[in-house]
Amino acid sequence: DAGVTQSPTHLIKTRGQHVTLRCSPISGHKSVSWYQQVLGQGPQFIFQYYEKEERGRGNFPDRFSARQFPNYSSELNVNALLLGDSALYLCASSLLGENEKLFFGSGTQLSVL
Amino acid sequence: GEDVEQSLFLSVREGDSSVINCTYTDSSSTYLYWYKQEPGAGLQLLTYIFSNMDMKQDQRLTVLLNKKDKHLSLRIADTQTGDSAIYFCAESQGGKLIFGQGTELSVKP
Repeated sequence: DAGVTQSPTHLIKTRGQHVTLRCSPISGHKSVSWYQQVLGQGPQFIFQYYEKEERGRGNFPDRFSARQFPNYSSELNVNALLLGDSALYLCASSLLGENEKLFFGSGTQLSVL
Repeated sequence: GEDVEQSLFLSVREGDSSVINCTYTDSSSTYLYWYKQEPGAGLQLLTYIFSNMDMKQDQRLTVLLNKKDKHLSLRIADTQTGDSAIYFCAESQGGKLIFGQGTELSVKP
């Protein structure tokens, strides 16, 4: 069975641009979460979606948005990129999204120049 | 606050035991987790413990939980060079995980 898959694996953008990152959860999982991991730190929670509804949002500006599709895949969008948005963006999936094991993808490494 | 704290570095010799420590904040956390991250990779779930347990053993891994002190530890027996990585503890708060900064484990031959 495929694990959590994310695309692209690497991305280079310039300040002010926008970016879309994609995630496919493990088959059968209905919840997808997004985390940002800045170099040298632990992952920080951005969003959680369950059954296409936003269930939780971390302390990130409105430039960050996400959605979940009927097939449970998800997109993370970031507008007006800043240098500080450079990070590894991790997607995680779980069955129901509440007090469960999260399984992470390999991430998308975003560099903003 | 939301801080989960870990020591940043640990160095051991191959074959020794490694003990990585973590303190967490939310006494209502249902699950506590240990994840492993190798360079350039995502997070691999190593093990987890339910908050009403004191200990969980899984092959070379032993997790100890002290709820009174909000202290979690991960012991790796017979540490191998392939165990060199960054280890994160995390506590669950509803649908999200709160991670520590990670402990970099270096295993010397």
